[in-house]
Amino acid sequence: GQQLNQSPQSMFIQEGEDVSMNCTSSSIFNTWLWYKQDPGEGPVLLIALYKAGELTSNGRLTAQFGITRKDSFLNISASIPSDVGIYFCAGQLGNSGNTPLVFGKGTRLSVIA
Amino acid sequence: DTGVSQNPRHKITKRGQNVTFRCDPISEHNRLYWYRQTLGQGPEFLTYFQNEAQLEKSRLLSDRFSAERPKGSFSTLEIQRTEQGDSAMYLCASSRAYEQYFGPGTRLTVT
Repeated sequence: GQQLNQSPQSMFIQEGEDVSMNCTSSSIFNTWLWYKQDPGEGPVLLIALYKAGELTSNGRLTAQFGITRKDSFLNISASIPSDVGIYFCAGQLGNSGNTPLVFGKGTRLSVIA
Repeated sequence: DTGVSQNPRHKITKRGQNVTFRCDPISEHNRLYWYRQTLGQGPEFLTYFQNEAQLEKSRLLSDRFSAERPKGSFSTLEIQRTEQGDSAMYLCASSRAYEQYFGPGTRLTVT
C-alpha cells in the first residue's frame, strides 16, 4: 500500500527555536495535509495544501507542497511549549477530495523551556 | 459550529465480546471516514461513507467489523468477537471537500 516517510521521527528543541520536518512518498499526491495530535486526542488539522509548489502559512506554521508532488515540508517558527505533540503528514490521492488519507508515522516534537 | 464527536471515549472489553462505537460528524459534512490508530503509528483507513452509502472498505476491515450510517447522519462501527489485536484508537473524521476533521477518538482495550 501507499506509504509516507516522515522525518525526523522525533526532535528535542529549545523554546524559541525554529523546527523543520518533512514527508516524502514514492507516489504522487494531489492534496497534502498536516495534523497535530496530543496524547489521547484525535488529530487536529493545521494546514492543507492543494497545488504543487504551494506555500501556505497558519500563524507560526508554514507548509509547502513539493514541486514533484511527492513531498511536503512543515516549518514551525519560534517554538513554544504548547507546540509539543506529534505532527502527522497525510496525503490524498483523489482529485475530488473523496478519498481516504494516507498518513506518515509522525514526528514527535519535544520543546525544552 | 460543533466538531466531530465520538462515544464512548474509552471502552474496555473482554476478548470475544461485541462492541459498538458511535460517531457524530460535523452537521453539514456528507463524507464520513473511520480510521484505526495503534501506538507509534499514524491513522490507517478503515472505511468511508458518502451520505448513507458505504463507498470504500480497507482490507483491514475484516468480516468481524461492520459500519453503518443510516440516514447519512451519525455512523456506528461494530466489532464482533473482539480480539486483543483490535486494541487501538478508533478515529472518525468528516469532510465536505478535501479537509478531513477528526473526532477525539474511542480508545478500545481488549483484555
